[in-house]
Amino acid sequence: DVKVTQSSRYLVKRTGEKVFLECVQDMDHENMFWYRQDPGLGLRLIYFSYDVKMKEKGDIPEGYSVSREKKERFSLILESASTNQTSMYLCASRVPGQAKEQYFGPGTRLTVT
Amino acid sequence: AQSVTQLGSHVSVSEGALVLLRCNYSSSVPPYLFWYVQYPNQGLQLLLKYTSAATLVKGINGFEAEFKKSETSFHLTKPSAHMSDAAEYFCAVTLYNNNDMRFGAGTRLTVKP
Repeated sequence: DVKVTQSSRYLVKRTGEKVFLECVQDMDHENMFWYRQDPGLGLRLIYFSYDVKMKEKGDIPEGYSVSREKKERFSLILESASTNQTSMYLCASRVPGQAKEQYFGPGTRLTVT
Repeated sequence: AQSVTQLGSHVSVSEGALVLLRCNYSSSVPPYLFWYVQYPNQGLQLLLKYTSAATLVKGINGFEAEFKKSETSFHLTKPSAHMSDAAEYFCAVTLYNNNDMRFGAGTRLTVKP
């Protein structure tokens, strides 16, 4: 069974704080993704990584950065959290290939006050 | 660019009734199509996927979807709704030459007793 875990289920941070969201997968997948999920907007891609130390911007990268130093771990960083970054954050992984499904973690619900 | 539209942000059915969740895609080439389900406070789980083999795809939990190229649709159906089907459902698409997976806005299914 593929397992994708995220470091926190719920997180509350203050405006201006630096926030780290961690994602770990145990299936040796090359590709990893970070999405944010907001009501009525579905999932929007923030960043994705084809492999270790590789990253590509998605649709909404502003205010975020990522790090992938090891194959199993993909970190999302909010450099200076703002209230408009309050959202559900979902991590996913997959083997390469457009026909391949993504496997999702349980999500981190982040509230920035 | 490919995109996917889910018609109806909320669908309500009675237990035992037919479930029909609509998804249309816009693409000039045949895409790969996916349906995911999200239960409350969980990540997304794959229900089924279309990868250009059979046009009628069977998934988990009794769901199926039919790819209709002429209608650019990939609607999700289940003959008889169960209370446990209450969740949010997402349609997603990727193209054969593109790693991006695009998600619809989601449809929340309510099942009434």
